Amino acid sequence: DSGVTQTPKHLITATGQRVTLRCSPRSGDLSVYWYQQSLDQGLQFLIQYYNGEERAKGNILERFSAQQFPDLHSELNLSSLELGDSALYFCASSPIQGGRTEAFFGQGTRLTVV
Amino acid sequence: GDSVTQMEGPVTLSEEAFLTINCTYTATGYPSLFWYVQYPGEGLQLLLKATKADDKGSNKGFEATYRKETTSFHLEKGSVQVSDSAVYFCALRDTGFQKLVFGTGTRLLVSP
Repeated sequence: DSGVTQTPKHLITATGQRVTLRCSPRSGDLSVYWYQQSLDQGLQFLIQYYNGEERAKGNILERFSAQQFPDLHSELNLSSLELGDSALYFCASSPIQGGRTEAFFGQGTRLTVV
Repeated sequence: GDSVTQMEGPVTLSEEAFLTINCTYTATGYPSLFWYVQYPGEGLQLLLKATKADDKGSNKGFEATYRKETTSFHLEKGSVQVSDSAVYFCALRDTGFQKLVFGTGTRLLVSP
């Protein structure tokens, strides 16, 4: 158990809908990262938050947004969903903004858009 | 930008065979290097890491050495088991935004 909790584990929704994925980082970790894993794109970095502030953006679509709350949990919002958004979404956390430490991953949320 | 290239899979081996999964990277500065493993239906778990040149990371019989001169971090294991069947990801932590940059992953299949 990595200590990173993601909910829900599975989500099935229709095209055009909006969903929210939730992540609770390990206790004390200030940095949260979101990744998308799809068969054709591999693991793609989406966005990073550090202590409530956005720190880095990757290949995140404009239809997607995220935030990190004062209690450090994070949410990834996906809207106007398309079939191609079906993927495994991972959250990871680390103690500080960067440095040489590893990141710890949650079990992921499998999103299926039908 | 920073990138990681790892060998295409799947890699198919018999139990007790020697394993090598190649990984090379491109980065400015001196990144940290990691191997993560993903078992079926699970998230990514850190397998080992190395934070500077010539460091050797090791865990559960797996090893990888940070080679700055060849920008490589190849994963090796002397004798694989069926339970090692999984997808292995090489990654680097860049010195800019501090995010993890992953390779495409290599699936390992070990048969009895």
